[in-house]
Amino acid sequence: EVQLVESGGGLVQPGESLRLSCVASGFTFSTYSMNWVRQAPGKGLEWIAYITSSGSPIYYADSVEGRFTISRDNAKNSLYLQMNSLRDEDTAVYYCARGWGSSWYDYWGQGTLVTVSS
Amino acid sequence: EIVLTQSPDFQSVTPKEKVTITCRASQYIDRSLHWYQQKPDQSPKLLIKYASQSISGVPSRFSGSGSGTDFTLTINGLEAEDAAAYYCHQSSSLPWTFGQGTKVEIK
Repeated sequence: EVQLVESGGGLVQPGESLRLSCVASGFTFSTYSMNWVRQAPGKGLEWIAYITSSGSPIYYADSVEGRFTISRDNAKNSLYLQMNSLRDEDTAVYYCARGWGSSWYDYWGQGTLVTVSS
Repeated sequence: EIVLTQSPDFQSVTPKEKVTITCRASQYIDRSLHWYQQKPDQSPKLLIKYASQSISGVPSRFSGSGSGTDFTLTINGLEAEDAAAYYCHQSSSLPWTFGQGTKVEIK
């Protein structure tokens, strides 16, 4: 059974950093691209970052480019999102999602909540 | 950036009724359009890929159609468990984007 389990969310102040993790199981992690998608409270879905199975290329949404870094460790079946210079508008549930190439997302984690507030 | 506009934003429907949700892209995206269902307090679930291709395990009452800029998700015979938000998503060009969502409520 495919499972994606995110962790690392929490309450931080504006300007601070946070690192999210997503541990995968039930499939060969090293052969799939991965994504981070977020959802602000009561709002819709926003794709924010993508990484191929090998780790390159990487793409970001403009809203996080230069502040967030996506990475992966295929030996640990893990995906990461390093978030720096956090802003109030980064408050959201962050999902990791398995990608079929650069197309659809066939499995999603349960999400981890990041709250940025002073 | 390709903007996806869904309509309606909200729909209240009686069980067994047919539901139609549309998604219009601001630019041509061929068939690079996918649909997701998100039930309350759950993560999204893939319903349809490439505009009309079915997904294993998804009930056959869910179907998709369209190409280019206009797409439709149809639920034939709504069931109570289908109460959810539905999102379209384009993978044609970066940044990949989602529609604003359509909330379906059961009357």
